[in-house]
Amino acid sequence: ETGVTQTPRHLVMGMTNKKSLKCEQHLGHNAMYWYKQSAKKPLELMFVYNFKEQTENNSVPSRFSPECPNSSHLFLHLHTLQPEDSALYLCASSVAGGVNTEAFFGQGTRLTVV
Amino acid sequence: GESVGLHLPTLSVQEGDNSIINCAYSNSASDYFIWYKQESGKGPQFIIDIRSNMDKRQGQRVTVLLNKTVKHLSLQIAATQPGDSAVYFCAEKGNTGNQFYFGTGTSLTVIP
Repeated sequence: ETGVTQTPRHLVMGMTNKKSLKCEQHLGHNAMYWYKQSAKKPLELMFVYNFKEQTENNSVPSRFSPECPNSSHLFLHLHTLQPEDSALYLCASSVAGGVNTEAFFGQGTRLTVV
Repeated sequence: GESVGLHLPTLSVQEGDNSIINCAYSNSASDYFIWYKQESGKGPQFIIDIRSNMDKRQGQRVTVLLNKTVKHLSLQIAATQPGDSAVYFCAEKGNTGNQFYFGTGTSLTVIP
């Protein structure tokens, strides 16, 4: 248990569906991240939030929409996805601005787009 | 942009032997590096980290070596055990914010 909880663990959705991924951290961190993990590729940084403000959008398509209502919660809203969006979506948190502070990851949501 | 990569995608070792996993990075300004372990069905878990002002750091059965001259990072696992079987990632913390950049990963298989 890393202190970062993601739900759901698995999600199958059609290309016309709208769904949301949820992430919650109990570590008192103030930076949160979404990563995409596809087979045989490095983890791709998608979004970064510091103190609820989005500070990084790594050229992510608009069909992915993040939301950070407070420092403990992060959402990823999904709509009109493509099959190539199927991947493991990982949420992480860390101390914002910390010099030597690692990111703590959740277990991920395995997303399959059909 | 930052680029972090691994030399070998897979590694098989006999139980009890030592393992060495390598990583190359491209951003010479990065000052913090982390090794993560990811087991099947789980998210990456922190193993050990190192700052750029160090060249070696030891943990329990693990050692990280940093060579800034050639921008190379390695993870050494002593007396490798079956429970060490996983994918190992190196990560580099960007010097312009909170971004962590990851390599492709090396899949370690321990043969009993």
